[in-house]
Amino acid sequence: KAGVTQTPRYLIKTRGQQVTLSCSPISGHRSVSWYQQTPGQGLQFLFEYFSETQRNKGNFPGRFSGRQFSNSRSEMNVSTLELGDSALYLCASSLQPGQGNEKLFFGSGTQLSVL
Amino acid sequence: KQEVTQIPAALSVPEGENLVLNCSFTDSAIYNLQWFRQDPGKGLTSLLLIQSSQREQTSGRLNASLDKSSGRSTLYIAASQPGDSATYLCAVPDNYGQNFVFGPGTRLSVLP
Repeated sequence: KAGVTQTPRYLIKTRGQQVTLSCSPISGHRSVSWYQQTPGQGLQFLFEYFSETQRNKGNFPGRFSGRQFSNSRSEMNVSTLELGDSALYLCASSLQPGQGNEKLFFGSGTQLSVL
Repeated sequence: KQEVTQIPAALSVPEGENLVLNCSFTDSAIYNLQWFRQDPGKGLTSLLLIQSSQREQTSGRLNASLDKSSGRSTLYIAASQPGDSATYLCAVPDNYGQNFVFGPGTRLSVLP
């Protein structure tokens, strides 16, 4: 069974540009979560999607948005990039939403550098 | 607000040693806790998931325990190997049980 796939693996952008990251969950998983990881702040929750609906959102500005498609694939978008958006963006999938008894499976991440 | 801490921040040990990593959380009303491993520049791999009704879980050389009342979990690694070198993170659900709150991690180096 294929794992969680994130593309692209690396991205270099300049301030003010926008970027779209993609995540394909494990087959059969319907919940997708996004996390931002930086050396200073660690792993921080961005948002979670289930059945094409955003279930909850972390404490990030509106420049960060996402969506989920009917095949459970998800994209996140960051507009008007700032230097502080440089980070490893991780996607995780699970069978069901919420964090009841579900293991999270992570992709390898997209390393975004904003110059 | 749920907060998670991990000590030590970094640990370097010779191969073959048994070691313990610690995780503490502020809100004990959790229903599970997960331990993850992360290799440099990579995603996280789930190692162990402990339900609130359990006190420990084992997988190979790894054993994780959970003490909800004291807000603590420990990850025990037996007979450490250089391949165990990675950052180990623990995570618990937030106060609404809707997403995970991660600790800052313990960076482990096992020297051959």
